[in-house]
Amino acid sequence: DGGITQSPKYLFRKEGQNVTLSCEQNLNHDAMYWYRQDPGQGLRLIYYSQIVNDFQKGDIAEGYSVSREKKESFPLTVTSAQKNPTAFYLCASSVQDRANTEAFFGQGTRLTVV
Amino acid sequence: LAKTTQPISMDSYEGQEVNITCSHNNIATNDYITWYQQFPSQGPRFIIQGYKTKVTNEVASLFIPADRKSSTLSLPRVSLSDTAVYYCLVRGNFNKFYFGSGTKLNVKP
Repeated sequence: DGGITQSPKYLFRKEGQNVTLSCEQNLNHDAMYWYRQDPGQGLRLIYYSQIVNDFQKGDIAEGYSVSREKKESFPLTVTSAQKNPTAFYLCASSVQDRANTEAFFGQGTRLTVV
Repeated sequence: LAKTTQPISMDSYEGQEVNITCSHNNIATNDYITWYQQFPSQGPRFIIQGYKTKVTNEVASLFIPADRKSSTLSLPRVSLSDTAVYYCLVRGNFNKFYFGSGTKLNVKP
């Protein structure tokens, strides 16, 4: 059963802590993405990766880090440098084809700073 | 990067046809136009994509005029379950997907 899985669904972080959000896909997609969504807002691109061992910053990369050691995995670390990390985080994957604009999203991780 | 502009919100009633228009004046020659649907606390879901003229699938139709500076998503006979946010995207360079603020569609009984 192919898809993209994010975990955990809910995550609580104390001030000053780093936390890592998991994203795994078994769709054999080359490209993976991380987005942040604040209440009532659209999605903002944090990082994206087109191939293993390579990734690029999106519009709001400050305070976040990623790795892409395996094709199927693209974890996101929210560091203590991110001043306002409370948000809904979405991971997505897609093929590397300009004519195919379908991205598949996970169910999201809701991060709350306590 | 082609920026998209769409209405913030729309209201409709069950059984009506809904048309949501998106403006993308700076669309590049090779860009495709894509629409996504998002329910609260879920990831967006692909609805339809097109390059020019008209595209139809089992869920919606997409109308794109010859100049491609706008597009219209048409949802036939909406139901309460179609209440969601709809995003219009023009795929940017390096396969990045840029989402704007979307159009919040509220379907009333």
